[in-house]
Amino acid sequence: AQTVTQSQPEMSVQEAETVTLSCTYDTSESNYYLFWYKQPPSRQMILVIRQEAYKQQNATENRFSVNFQKAAKSFSLKISDSQLGDTAMYFCAFMKFPGLGYALNFGKGTSLLVTP
Amino acid sequence: GAVVSQHPSWVICKSGTSVKIECRSLDFQATTMFWYRQFPKQSLMLMATSNEGSKATYEQGVEKDKFLINHASLTLSTLTVTSAHPEDSSFYICSATPSGLQETQYFGPGTRLLVL
Repeated sequence: AQTVTQSQPEMSVQEAETVTLSCTYDTSESNYYLFWYKQPPSRQMILVIRQEAYKQQNATENRFSVNFQKAAKSFSLKISDSQLGDTAMYFCAFMKFPGLGYALNFGKGTSLLVTP
Repeated sequence: GAVVSQHPSWVICKSGTSVKIECRSLDFQATTMFWYRQFPKQSLMLMATSNEGSKATYEQGVEKDKFLINHASLTLSTLTVTSAHPEDSSFYICSATPSGLQETQYFGPGTRLLVL
């Protein structure tokens, strides 16, 4: 079974600053995907970024980037130029593949507050 | 972009009654749909995996006779909470995987269930 650990229950960052959310995972699988999802107060799950384990290059999406360390089983999310709208719960998630629709295994989440 | 809808968005019911929640993929066919449950300030916990035309696969500890899942078409899955009790009060979220894109999940907006 895969476990996903987010060791920071809550974090706070000032607007325009940079913040890093940590995530570690444990798996014996060699092929998998890692995700960061955002859940704002509306509770709609929004995909932030995705990383394929076979790719060495770290994924980036505008202000969001990851530091993927496969050997260390670490997958941190960096948010640059934080905005008030980034305030949300952030969940790190693991998906093994290939297969017919594997589910996401979520960490417990990190509550991020962006302050003016 | 791909849209997943859930209906109803919130429901209040009396203890002992049954409640049906619908999950629809609006602009794509979903080979697989997932049902998650989220308690306040907690992460998403997978309840079951639903493949079109076959029986759902339930996670350990989830009562299949209490949480009936039907995936009758490639665009619709339903979750029926039978004989609901106050401890079933929670936020239920579905997600759908497009055919041919097993690594992708689109989430519905969730359904808040309150059992009195």
